[in-house]
Amino acid sequence: DTGVSQNPRHKITKRGQNVTFRCDPISEHNRLYWYRQTLGQGPEFLTYFQNEAQLEKSRLLSDRFSAERPKGSFSTLEIQRTEQGDSAMYLCASSLLPGTSGDTQYFGPGTRLTVL
Amino acid sequence: AQRVTQPEKLLSVFKGAPVELKCNYSYSGSPELFWYVQYSRQRLQLLLRHISRESIKGFTADLNKGETSFHLKKPFAQEEDSAMYYCALNSANTGNQFYFGTGTSLTVIP
Repeated sequence: DTGVSQNPRHKITKRGQNVTFRCDPISEHNRLYWYRQTLGQGPEFLTYFQNEAQLEKSRLLSDRFSAERPKGSFSTLEIQRTEQGDSAMYLCASSLLPGTSGDTQYFGPGTRLTVL
Repeated sequence: AQRVTQPEKLLSVFKGAPVELKCNYSYSGSPELFWYVQYSRQRLQLLLRHISRESIKGFTADLNKGETSFHLKKPFAQEEDSAMYYCALNSANTGNQFYFGTGTSLTVIP
């Protein structure tokens, strides 16, 4: 296990298209987080899962965004009808709770989305 | 509302000089605070968390609830400390959302 992985690493799409990203967390990590990061900003929380349950979702998150973690392992983030404002780096992180290191999140490399 | 403020976007110090990266927060509950670091071409990684009260790579950070601050300090900066640093807050009391600051880019000049 080499850590959190994300696919694809880069995605270029046209405005109005749907895109889906995948995140594979560290095995046995029960928590999985999605963030969005734009240039010059820190990561912005989108949503998180405890096992397969989506427990929190940012109020800023558009209805065009949906995330799933069907078996409590990998997760997908889908953006429907993409807009140019969706262009960003999408980060995934996982953690194990309870655990000796608390809610220490391990981040993936991110998926960079460009909407033309 | 929960907010994390890092007032300095860029910070440059000479090697061997002390460094302090500022972080202020606003939160109505008991915060859990973190410092994350991102070195060039690497992924974001945890540097330290306040409840651990440990020193990592010579860095320390003390939670000051009176001043609502969690500044990151190191007495003698090294070139390998050059990186992007993010302060983050976990609102565990209100749903476990994480809030990151905008980050401070630290450059250590040889």
